[in-house]
Amino acid sequence: GESVGLHLPTLSVQEGDNSIINCAYSNSASDYFIWYKQESGKGPQFIIDIRSNMDKRQGQRVTVLLNKTVKHLSLQIAATQPGDSAVYFCAEKQRGSTLGRLYFGRGTQLTVWP
Amino acid sequence: EAQVTQNPRYLITVTGKKLTVTCSQNMNHEYMSWYRQDPGLGLRQIYYSMNVEVTDKGDVPEGYKVSRKEKRNFPLILESPSPNQTSLYFCASSFVRFDAEQFFGPGTRLTVL
Repeated sequence: GESVGLHLPTLSVQEGDNSIINCAYSNSASDYFIWYKQESGKGPQFIIDIRSNMDKRQGQRVTVLLNKTVKHLSLQIAATQPGDSAVYFCAEKQRGSTLGRLYFGRGTQLTVWP
Repeated sequence: EAQVTQNPRYLITVTGKKLTVTCSQNMNHEYMSWYRQDPGLGLRQIYYSMNVEVTDKGDVPEGYKVSRKEKRNFPLILESPSPNQTSLYFCASSFVRFDAEQFFGPGTRLTVL
């Protein structure tokens, strides 16, 4: 079965609010995590990544938090905009696995309404 | 422009009729991979390649073949397509480095009747 999963399949937020998308993983050997955004009709696009030796990483309007104790990953989007509406996937790379292999979660559909 | 291209973007075919979906990247990436995306299942890896002439099975390789004769191309071959291979397919590429960003193509929507 999949070791990467999501708590919620859908998330609706109002424009301007902050969004939090969650991801749980079960493989303690996972040591690198990536968030992807997939807009309708397009391929996944890299948003932000984090190594397992970090707890937090910030990008432009996005922050990824990693809690290794409970094997939980979250993506926070500040001041959510209509253009943020998409499906968000977390993915992991596992220590000892072939370089480049990614394991994806099922995705969360984020809908931003005005 | 750095990109991963796939062709065709849409394909409707019938059971048993061999088809090939092409994938090409212009970023000199060593690593290339094929995924299928089905509702509720996320992306699942079919095959991947670490370099020319080096390919390996992913999580769902049954019914598919690949080849890597050139660094830039990684075609996906369905010798005898079946309806359960109806899906959205993505090709991706990256450098072979632990933290290398993986770039995805635009996708190929395949329907097998």
